[in-house]
Amino acid sequence: GDSVTQMEGPVTLSEEAFLTINCTYTATGYPSLFWYVQYPGEGLQLLLKATKADDKGSNKGFEATYRKETTSFHLEKGSVQVSDSAVYFCALPSGGYNKLIFGAGTRLAVHP
Amino acid sequence: ETGVTQSPTHLIKTRGQQVTLRCSSQSGHNTVSWYQQALGQGPQFIFQYYREEENGRGNFPPRFSGLQFPNYSSELNVNALELDDSALYLCASSRDNFHEQYFGPGTRLTVT
Repeated sequence: GDSVTQMEGPVTLSEEAFLTINCTYTATGYPSLFWYVQYPGEGLQLLLKATKADDKGSNKGFEATYRKETTSFHLEKGSVQVSDSAVYFCALPSGGYNKLIFGAGTRLAVHP
Repeated sequence: ETGVTQSPTHLIKTRGQQVTLRCSSQSGHNTVSWYQQALGQGPQFIFQYYREEENGRGNFPPRFSGLQFPNYSSELNVNALELDDSALYLCASSRDNFHEQYFGPGTRLTVT
């Protein structure tokens, strides 16, 4: 069945460092791909999405490119801030009714 | 535009009891999905309601049930609570069942 695999955390970075969080997927066809972010004590917020191969989703300085060849959707940011500290989830819709399959999440901690 | 809201924020119940969680969907959205997020894990799909009908179900026992009302708000009911039901319960709404989902802040359920 469809699945999402994320790099394990936690990821600890200094402010202004470069961020990469790896995400690979297994799916039938070419589904849309999503990154969600969960700040401490909150629900999930949609961070960015890509709907087809080679699409690049971007938001708040974060980017991810839909790579069909490597079935990947890695999240990147050129310069992280303390406020980016959160848990990041990669997800894809599965089944005819669009349920979301999530990765296990990657916790990011950014320190000054 | 009002986002997805959930109530209550926190809830403590005893094993064997029953609980009802509530969700109001975002304006213009007719689909509600429920997810269970155990501590340190990604959300797991429970079920989805589309125009007041159950539209898909994950691997959860029948003691997890739901409703969707004509205004598209929704309830999640859990009977015979078990300790493992302790989790953050997330509700997400979308416009039709093929669009990206927007999450509420969640209800933290603790079963003792």
